[in-house]
Amino acid sequence: EAGVTQSPTHLIKTRGQQVTLRCSPISGHTSVYWYQQALGLGLQFLLWYDEGEERNRGNFPPRFSGRQFPNYSSELNVNALELEDSALYLCASSFSSDPLNEQFFGPGTRLTVL
Amino acid sequence: KQEVTQIPAALSVPEGENLVLNCSFTDSAIYNLQWFRQDPGKGLTSLLLIQSSQREQTSGRLNASLDKSSGRSTLYIAASQPGDSATYLCAAPNYGGSQGNLIFGKGTKLSVKP
Repeated sequence: EAGVTQSPTHLIKTRGQQVTLRCSPISGHTSVYWYQQALGLGLQFLLWYDEGEERNRGNFPPRFSGRQFPNYSSELNVNALELEDSALYLCASSFSSDPLNEQFFGPGTRLTVL
Repeated sequence: KQEVTQIPAALSVPEGENLVLNCSFTDSAIYNLQWFRQDPGKGLTSLLLIQSSQREQTSGRLNASLDKSSGRSTLYIAASQPGDSATYLCAAPNYGGSQGNLIFGKGTKLSVKP
């Protein structure tokens, strides 16, 4: 069974640009979560989507946004990139929104903002 | 808000040693707790998920325990190997799971010397 996949693997952008990251959950999973792992800051929650709806978002500015498609894949969009957006962006999926379900993580997208 | 703390931040042991990693959490009304492994620059690999109704969970040389009353979980690694070198993260659901996201500790960086 394929795990969570993310694309691209690496990305280099300059300040002010916009970027889109993509995530495909495990087949049958309806919930998708996005996390940011910046150097020295640990893993921070960004967004949670379930059944196509945004369920919760972390303490990030509105230039971080996303969506979930009918096939449950998801995009994370970041506008007006800043240097501090450089980080590993991790996507996770779970079978449903039930908190008893385990979250499975993808390999991440490494974003570098110059 | 759930807070998760891991000690020690780093640990270096000789090959073959048994070791314990510690995780503390503030909100004892958790549904479950997950332990992950992260290799440098990579995504998270789920190691063990302990439901709140369980006290222990085992997978190979790994054993995780959960004590909700004391707000603690431990990950026991038996007969450590150089391949176990990685950062180990524990995570608990925020607000008992109602917010969807996991709250992560900052991790314990383990180095197993041959």
